[in-house]
Amino acid sequence: DAGVTQSPTHLIKTRGQQVTLRCSPKSGHDTVSWYQQALGQGPQFIFQYYEEEERQRGNFPDRFSGHQFPNYSSELNVNALLLGDSALYLCASSLGTPDQPQHFGDGTRLSIL
Amino acid sequence: EDKVVQSPLSLVVHEGDTVTLNCSYEVTNFRSLLWYKQEKKAPTFLFMLTSSGIEKKSGRLSSILDKKELFSILNITATQTGDSAVYLCAVYTGTASKLTFGTGTRLQVTL
Repeated sequence: DAGVTQSPTHLIKTRGQQVTLRCSPKSGHDTVSWYQQALGQGPQFIFQYYEEEERQRGNFPDRFSGHQFPNYSSELNVNALLLGDSALYLCASSLGTPDQPQHFGDGTRLSIL
Repeated sequence: EDKVVQSPLSLVVHEGDTVTLNCSYEVTNFRSLLWYKQEKKAPTFLFMLTSSGIEKKSGRLSSILDKKELFSILNITATQTGDSAVYLCAVYTGTASKLTFGTGTRLQVTL
């Protein structure tokens, strides 16, 4: 039973570029959340997708956008990259009902030069 | 703004010791508290606590929630080097479907 898978594992971009990160949820899960984790910090919530709609959004600018596909997989897009966007981006999946544990993928390490 | 505070920030113990990690929260409309272990990459789920005073246990790990004093503890007995990791505490609040995390406690277990 595959867990949450993310791609790519590492990515290096320069300021101003755009990036797309991908996530496949754990089998049976229909909800995908994205988090940004800076070095030495806890994960910060970016947004959550359920039934192909953005259900909730954290305090991130519009440069961060996402999408969920009919098979529940998801993408995170970041435009006009800034040095401060360098972080580990984690995807988590869960069931759509309240108070379910979220299960995380290994993340994508994004470095901005 | 919801706040989750973990202590200590880091801890070094010898194999075989028992450790207690703390998580306190100041949030609106608390629903549940979760503990995760993060070694290199993916945080892995340990426990979810909703009710006060009911201990959750898995092997050498256990956790309990105090909703009156607004905190939770994670205990690890007979620590092993494989317990070395960052332990994250997170909460669900209100009608939100997001998790709000603390900064984590970095535990190092030495021989």
